[in-house]
Order: sequence, then C-alpha cells, then structure tokens
Amino acid sequence: NAGVTQTPKFQVLKTGQSMTLQCAQDMNHNSMYWYRQDPGMGLRLIYYSASEGTTDKGEVPNGYNVSRLNKREFSLRLESAAPSQTSVYFCASSELAANTGELFFGEGSRLTVL
Amino acid sequence: TQLLEQSPQFLSIQEGENLTVYCNSSSVFSSLQWYRQEPGEGPVLLVTVVTGGEVKKLKRLTFQFGDARKDSSLHITAAQPGDTGLYLCAGVQGNNRLAFGKGNQVVVIP
Repeated sequence: NAGVTQTPKFQVLKTGQSMTLQCAQDMNHNSMYWYRQDPGMGLRLIYYSASEGTTDKGEVPNGYNVSRLNKREFSLRLESAAPSQTSVYFCASSELAANTGELFFGEGSRLTVL
Repeated sequence: TQLLEQSPQFLSIQEGENLTVYCNSSSVFSSLQWYRQEPGEGPVLLVTVVTGGEVKKLKRLTFQFGDARKDSSLHITAAQPGDTGLYLCAGVQGNNRLAFGKGNQVVVIP
C-alpha cells in the first residue's frame, strides 16, 4: 500500500535555483495539501487543493506555486529558492473536500537551501 | 499567535511511567485530531474526538476532549519505548480549516 508518495526525499539547492516537489496518492482522495514543518513552528499549510482543478492558498503561500495535475498528483514548485525555504515538506491527502477529515501524510521531503 | 498550544513541549520519562500531555486553545473546535509522528516519517492519525467531554481509548492511550471543546488531553499509561514520538493535535475550526499545534515531543527511556 503506497498511500502518499513524495519525491525527492532529500534535496540541496543553491539560493535562486528552482525545483518541483512531486506528490502522488493512490487512495482516490479528493483533497490534497502541502505543508512545511519547521522546528518550533509546527505544521503550516502552504497550499491545498479541495478537488481536481482547484487550488487555494494556505497560511504561508509566498514563494511557492502548485499544480493539481490530476486527481492523483499535486506538485509544489519553488521558482527561486531562498534559505528561508529550508524545511521539511509534507504532502497529504484526505477523502473529504473540506479540510476536516483524516489526513494521510507522505514521508516528507527534506530541502536545504544554501 | 498559535491557535493551539501544546504543553509540555518536551517530556522524557522512564519506561513504565504514566504521562499526560495537553492541547489548549481559547477557540472552540467542531472536532480535534491527535497524530503521532516518528522521526523521519509523516504524522499518522491516532484518534478524532468530536463531542465535548468525549473520552476515547486506544490501547494504553486515553484521549479526552474538553466539555467546552476548547482543549484536549492525551494520557499514556505504562509508557513503552514505542510510544516515543511527536504528538500533534489539530483542531477543525468553524471555517472548516485544520489548525495544528506545535506538538509534544515524548521520549520514553528503556
């Protein structure tokens, strides 16, 4: 059972470089989310997609873009990486359209921006 | 301002001891979730509490939702090393958005 799969698991970037984090879920869930987790800050919502074809900003969207490619896939793009974006990024999915149901998380993508 | 305050932030205990961690807020939640996150992994849902005053048990873990639905507690009886992890509470607000606390880091020493 794959659940939520994120790639890559680790990435080191230089300031100004761009990259895309990929996420795919095989549970036929409607909603998908991107969070970042920083020491002392907890989990913060970057963007979410309540259903295929829709995306909305979360708590900390600046510096990021997302694409809901289809029902399975939700990608997060950093156009010009900054050291402040060093973090662990988690993709999650849920069955319910509203952000109220159980979230299933991937294993995380650890990003370091030098 | 953090919507959900979790305390203590860090707790280290010996195997076999009991512990209680707390998740508090001044806001009312329609439901509250508890997740456990192990090192290098994503959070995994343990329980959802919905009704004020509700108590749910998951083996040695007891979860309680406050009567006013503003707070919750997690009690672990006879802690085991496998209980080590970051415990996150998450509350569902009136706008159907989920807000996470910063977590309770629990370390159980064998």
